[in-house]
Amino acid sequence: DTGVSQDPRHKITKRGQNVTFRCDPISEHNRLYWYRQTLGQGPEFLTYFQNEAQLEKSRLLSDRFSAERPKGSFSTLEIQRTEQGDSAMYLCASSPSGFAYEQYFGPGTRLTVT
Amino acid sequence: AQKVTQAQTEISVVEKEDVTLDCVYETRDTTYYLFWYKQPPSGELVFLIRRNSFDEQNEISGRYSWNFQKSTSSFNFTITASQVVDSAVYFCARTSGTYKYIFGTGTRLKVLA
Repeated sequence: DTGVSQDPRHKITKRGQNVTFRCDPISEHNRLYWYRQTLGQGPEFLTYFQNEAQLEKSRLLSDRFSAERPKGSFSTLEIQRTEQGDSAMYLCASSPSGFAYEQYFGPGTRLTVT
Repeated sequence: AQKVTQAQTEISVVEKEDVTLDCVYETRDTTYYLFWYKQPPSGELVFLIRRNSFDEQNEISGRYSWNFQKSTSSFNFTITASQVVDSAVYFCARTSGTYKYIFGTGTRLKVLA
């Protein structure tokens, strides 16, 4: 299977700890996106990469959040000093370049902050 | 805010019934795309359809059909002869700019055997 993969699938952490999630996109896709989904809501856009360049960050992405995509392949999303409000599903998606191609989503990382 | 509204929070139907999921969107863009995704209990969003704003033809794919009406800013999704495996949360989304998606809050569909 060559879909989008995310690791870990679940993460439980204590408030104040740092966590890092990884996303491996579909290999030929040069666009990569991070979304956050809370219970009963649709995914909300966090950030977007075109190859290794981070081209947009949502205002939802506070200073405690940082994302990277070195070499334009996999991406990491780090949350520093986690808060209970960070508990959510973090979804990664990828797509080819071009206008509004469909995005293919990974299975997500469910974060629980205790 | 230019949002996507899925007014039906949850729908329950009996297997083999037809069901329509509503989606109404707001946008100031002249060119945009609309999407439907399925999120089964496993959690992974599965792409179902993409439709651009210039194409108002209805589309049918097996038991699925989509009705796009630009005049009412609606993009409704119908499942014919529903099956238990159709049980999932369904999301409607539209583009914001060239790549970002704005999602609705989803409709949870329960198909009862």
